[in-house]
Formats: sequence, C-alpha cells, structure tokens
Amino acid sequence: AQKITQTQPGMFVQEKEAVTLDCTYDTSDPSYGLFWYKQPSSGEMIFLIYQGSYDQQNATEGRYSLNFQKARKSANLVISASQLGDSAMYFCAMRSLAGGFKTIFGAGTRLFVKA
Amino acid sequence: DVKVTQSSRYLVKRTGEKVFLECVQDMDHENMFWYRQDPGLGLRLIYFSYDVKMKEKGDIPEGYSVSREKKERFSLILESASTNQTSMYLCASSILGLAGGLDTGELFFGEGSRLTVL
Repeated sequence: AQKITQTQPGMFVQEKEAVTLDCTYDTSDPSYGLFWYKQPSSGEMIFLIYQGSYDQQNATEGRYSLNFQKARKSANLVISASQLGDSAMYFCAMRSLAGGFKTIFGAGTRLFVKA
Repeated sequence: DVKVTQSSRYLVKRTGEKVFLECVQDMDHENMFWYRQDPGLGLRLIYFSYDVKMKEKGDIPEGYSVSREKKERFSLILESASTNQTSMYLCASSILGLAGGLDTGELFFGEGSRLTVL
C-alpha cells in the first residue's frame, strides 16, 4: 500500500531562519513523483515543488528545496529564509505509476513563522 | 493560467438532501479529482476521472458518486447528505502525466467548497 507520513502537526520558525518539514513515503513502485503543496489560510492549494524518483539531483524552486533521500524514502521540504507569508499548511504528496493517476497526501504540517 | 472553478464556496444542506458540487477547468486537462479535506487527515481522494464518462473510486467513495459528461466538468454528488459528510471539498485537475519525471502531473486546485450538513 502507498502511504505518505508527515509526523509534525505543527512547527514554529523564526522569521529569516530555515525550516525543514518532514515527509516519508512508502511505495514499492520504482517510478513515482513527490510533491509539496502549500495551503494558506485563504484555502487555495498551491503547488511548490516536484521530485521525480529518477531525478539525480534534489529539486529546488527559489527558497524551496526538496531533500530527497531515496533509500530512506524521505522527501523533506526545506524553506530557506522564512517569511511571514510562509505561515500555512504544507502537504506532502505522491503519485506513482502503479498507483495510476491518483495523488495521495499526507496529513499536513502547519507552519507558523514568528516575527 | 489554469483555472479550476468550483460552483459554491459555502453550502449548508440538511440531512437527506441531494447535493451537487460542480467543478469546471479551462485547460483541457484529462484528469480530474475530488478530494475531501478534514483536519488531521489531510486530503483524501473520493473519486477521479481520467477521461469523459470514465471514473475511478478513490479511497473514500462511499456515499458519493460522480459524473463527467464533458471533459471540462466533473461533478460530485451526495445522494443523501449526512452529517459526517460535513467537510471541505476540493476539486483538482491535471494533465495525463506519467510519474517518474516525464512531467510533473501536478494538481491544479479549485478554491474549495465548504459543505455543512445539518
């Protein structure tokens, strides 16, 4: 069975500091993609970053990077230089070839950025 | 820009009523999805569709049905609403992507429909 686990229900970070949001996944499929989405208090889901299982390098998008450790089945999101606007829910998600077109999500981590 | 539009942001219905949640996307995406979001549970997939008139059950299809008569429109139907269906419902669409790097297959979401069943 495929599963995404986010073990941090909530986290605090000081403005301008870096923060790591944890995500572990479980799949037996060698071909899969990992995603992070952000959901501000307004409710819309915003795609942040993607990592393919065959990608050799960790994905980066601006202040976001994905620390992909394939052997450990972890895909942690690193946000550098946190901003107040980063306060939101963050969801890790996975999609695999064997799983068809379904994207499954973790329970989410609520990030609070302190001024 | 991809736009996914959900017909209602907020709905209040009574137990036993039939509820329709409509979703329209304007980017010719093949895949469309309905999720429900509950605190502490993340997003759970109800149904998805990868083509017109095609539908697949997700992880929690009980009590729901869907309809996709046109490529751009995907409807979620609660035949007889119950209080445990009070939730946020999110519609999403994506291209027909392949996992593993050929394309991301990222989801584009609507703003959500918050349903309260009394």
